Amino acid sequence: DTAVSQTPKYLVTQMGNDKSIKCEQNLGHDTMYWYKQDSKKFLKIMFSYNNKELIINETVPNRFSPKSPDKAHLNLHINSLELGDSAVYFCASSPLGLAEDNEQFFGPGTRLTVL
Amino acid sequence: GEDVEQSLFLSVREGDSSVINCTYTDSSSTYLYWYKQEPGAGLQLLTYIFSNMDMKQDQRLTVLLNKKDKHLSLRIADTQTGDSAIYFCAEKGTYKYIFGTGTRLKVLA
Repeated sequence: DTAVSQTPKYLVTQMGNDKSIKCEQNLGHDTMYWYKQDSKKFLKIMFSYNNKELIINETVPNRFSPKSPDKAHLNLHINSLELGDSAVYFCASSPLGLAEDNEQFFGPGTRLTVL
Repeated sequence: GEDVEQSLFLSVREGDSSVINCTYTDSSSTYLYWYKQEPGAGLQLLTYIFSNMDMKQDQRLTVLLNKKDKHLSLRIADTQTGDSAIYFCAEKGTYKYIFGTGTRLKVLA
């Protein structure tokens, strides 16, 4: 299946831990994103990468470090997890860069719960 | 600012029409989008409208755009229980996509 996939789907962890979320797209897209959706369902962009290069860092704390080993992967590592990091994290990709309008394809989300 | 506002909830009876409204701020977006999020899933593009158009019809969906008032609406005709979801409008700002606050549509049987 061609899609955007994320692992894990659920992540429950203690405050202060470090965790990673992985994302892969096999759509051949150039641009990948991380979004955070809070409990009220508000969706905010966190990062955008185009061909492995960081394009957007939307004033996200530096405890969050994205890594793009290649065009098809964008992983998110979070250090020293805080209660406020609890949310659903969505990876997305789009065929073109941000200079042009184009559809975003979303992964199924990773629900992170910090205890 | 870059705010995209929507009413948070809408409840309709099966078979009725649903109208979901959105106001946006950035008038430079070439397209305006509607995404649908079903429970436990990511967002999926439902439809979009070119910013020079007033209306777009796509089967049961009608998108209306009032560019002067920066108002976008999505009408779903003959709403079905499978339409229950959260609907997000979105625009493309200068360097990022901005999503609305989301409208949770509940369809009553």
